[in-house]
Amino acid sequence: KAGVTQTPRYLIKTRGQQVTLSCSPISGHRSVSWYQQTPGQGLQFLFEYFSETQRNKGNFPGRFSGRQFSNSRSEMNVSTLELGDSALYLCASSHGTPGSPLHFGNGTRLTVT
Amino acid sequence: QQQVKQSPQSLIVQKGGISIINCAYENTAFDYFPWYQQFPGKGPALLIAIRPDVSEKKEGRFTISFNKSAKQFSLHIMDSQPGDSATYFCAAAGSSNTGKLIFGQGTTLQVKP
Repeated sequence: KAGVTQTPRYLIKTRGQQVTLSCSPISGHRSVSWYQQTPGQGLQFLFEYFSETQRNKGNFPGRFSGRQFSNSRSEMNVSTLELGDSALYLCASSHGTPGSPLHFGNGTRLTVT
Repeated sequence: QQQVKQSPQSLIVQKGGISIINCAYENTAFDYFPWYQQFPGKGPALLIAIRPDVSEKKEGRFTISFNKSAKQFSLHIMDSQPGDSATYFCAAAGSSNTGKLIFGQGTTLQVKP
């Protein structure tokens, strides 16, 4: 079974630009969650999508948004990029039931200059 | 109340020794406690998880000990190997937050040959 696939692996953007990251979950998984990982703040939850609906949201500004498609693939968008948005963005998929394990992809490394 | 505190920040163990990482939480609504292992350039991978109805769970060389009254849980890695050198994260979640894990800050483990 293929794992969680995130594209692209690396991105370099300029302040003020916007970026879209993509995540393909494990086949059969209906839940996709997004996390931001930085050395200072660690792993922080952004949001979760289940059956195309946002089911849970973390404490990030509205510049961070996401969506999920009917095939469970998900995209995350960050608008008006700031230097502090430089991070590893991780996507995780699961069946979406309580206690079902989250399986992470290898992330997209975003650098904002 | 949403925090998970992890210690130590870094750990050096000799090959064959026992590695112990501790976590503490405050939110009594948490009922799912996984541990993740992360290698450089990779996403976190689920190692082992426990629920509060058991005090210990073992999978191979990895054991979780759980103390519900103290709101603490720990990971023990028996017979530590150089290949175990990685960053370890504890996490917690409530049953109503299926995709939202609250992570500890991580422990960087180095196992010396």
